[in-house]
Amino acid sequence: QVQLVESGGDLVKPGGSLRLSCTASGFIFSDNYMSWIRQAPGKGLEWVSSISPYDNALYYADSVKGRFSISRDNAKNSFFLQMNSLRADDTAVYYCATSSNAFYDTSGFTWGQGTLVTVSS
Amino acid sequence: QSVLTQPPSVSGAPGQRVTISCTGSSSNIGAGYDVNWYQQLPGTAPKLLIFGDNNRPSGVPDRFSGSKSGTSASLAITGLQADDEADYYCQSFDNSLTDSVVLFGTGTTVIVL
Repeated sequence: QVQLVESGGDLVKPGGSLRLSCTASGFIFSDNYMSWIRQAPGKGLEWVSSISPYDNALYYADSVKGRFSISRDNAKNSFFLQMNSLRADDTAVYYCATSSNAFYDTSGFTWGQGTLVTVSS
Repeated sequence: QSVLTQPPSVSGAPGQRVTISCTGSSSNIGAGYDVNWYQQLPGTAPKLLIFGDNNRPSGVPDRFSGSKSGTSASLAITGLQADDEADYYCQSFDNSLTDSVVLFGTGTTVIVL
């Protein structure tokens, strides 16, 4: 079955950088859009970014545009979120998720277990 | 960016029916984009509950159903059970002139009395 495993979450100072990774199994990775979705402590879900199967389409929420960068390595069934200029309000559990071969997907997201990013001095 | 509005909480006694609304606009739900629903039990990752407006993944009981009309969608839970106590989120898409985005609802806590 689909399995998504995030890594890279850590405590980082404001203005710092962090790179999250997600490794996938149980499906044809190169067929699917991949996404990052976050949840601040005690808050709701917020979509962060998505990437098309072959990198030609990248999507970002306004709150992270210009600071975060999404990428993928289909040969390693992995994708990444490079987070720069981190702020306190970026503190959240970051989930990786997969959908299907379309951005406007009708099949819904399947989620990993999440990795915690804490931005604090 | 746009938002999908849900009531903060709904409650019901065991066995009752509760509904959760998800209100959007003409650029998201009203534009015809599908609505998905997720259940998040305390301390766990969200789990897909309804996809494509009104379809249940394998293993989701038929006590859960989804519907959509105009700029809104709804999730209904019938025969409410204690382990339905969780947070529920709707999700859709929005496509303005400059951006294509994924939208999540504000979230609803279901309380079983």
